[in-house]
Amino acid sequence: GAVVSQHPSWVICKSGTSVKIECRSLDFQATTMFWYRQFPKQSLMLMATSNEGSKATYEQGVEKDKFLINHASLTLSTLTVTSAHPEDSSFYICSARDSLAKNIQYFGAGTRLSVL
Amino acid sequence: DAKTTQPNSMESNEEEPVHLPCNHSTISGTDYIHWYRQLPSQGPEYVIHGLTSNVNNRMASLAIAEDRKSSTLILHRATLRDAAVYYCILRETTFGSNYKLTFGKGTLLTVNP
Repeated sequence: GAVVSQHPSWVICKSGTSVKIECRSLDFQATTMFWYRQFPKQSLMLMATSNEGSKATYEQGVEKDKFLINHASLTLSTLTVTSAHPEDSSFYICSARDSLAKNIQYFGAGTRLSVL
Repeated sequence: DAKTTQPNSMESNEEEPVHLPCNHSTISGTDYIHWYRQLPSQGPEYVIHGLTSNVNNRMASLAIAEDRKSSTLILHRATLRDAAVYYCILRETTFGSNYKLTFGKGTLLTVNP
């Protein structure tokens, strides 16, 4: 099946620093990518939807200036957590929808962010 | 938002069939029924999806009620690797051909050896 690569898989950073997470679709083009956040023992919460070449659409309650999303190509989207704080510690998961097989979303393995 | 209702948890024995139920009484005519599963500390994995007819693939079968208000994911022979949280999701169309997947709490499936 299609593969979505997410990097890094684990990151620890100091409070106040910024962290960038990359999401790549390895064998398909993804016009649309999604970013989710998952706290322990909870379900995935959609943060934003990004379309290649345009601004991301953020879900209600998600700060767009804190979670910067860039989707500059059909195979790469990045999420930057700016000025991270301990409450931003979470499991971040990206997802990509195949431009041709639009019924299926493929997910990355996730990035565990720990902010000290 | 279209919503689904699933049992919090289910147990099965290895090599036995598993039927995971999902209720979606408010489903609309254009909503697809998607199933994903998530193993511990991993991203979700696509399992199967359907609209009206029953569907089969190499991972599972999806049985959809005639009124589409419920569906059942069927794992024909559970293995220990099938232990995961299974999410039943209604694929909502937002605009044009775009849609988003809204995850509920899912069903935690435990498979006993």
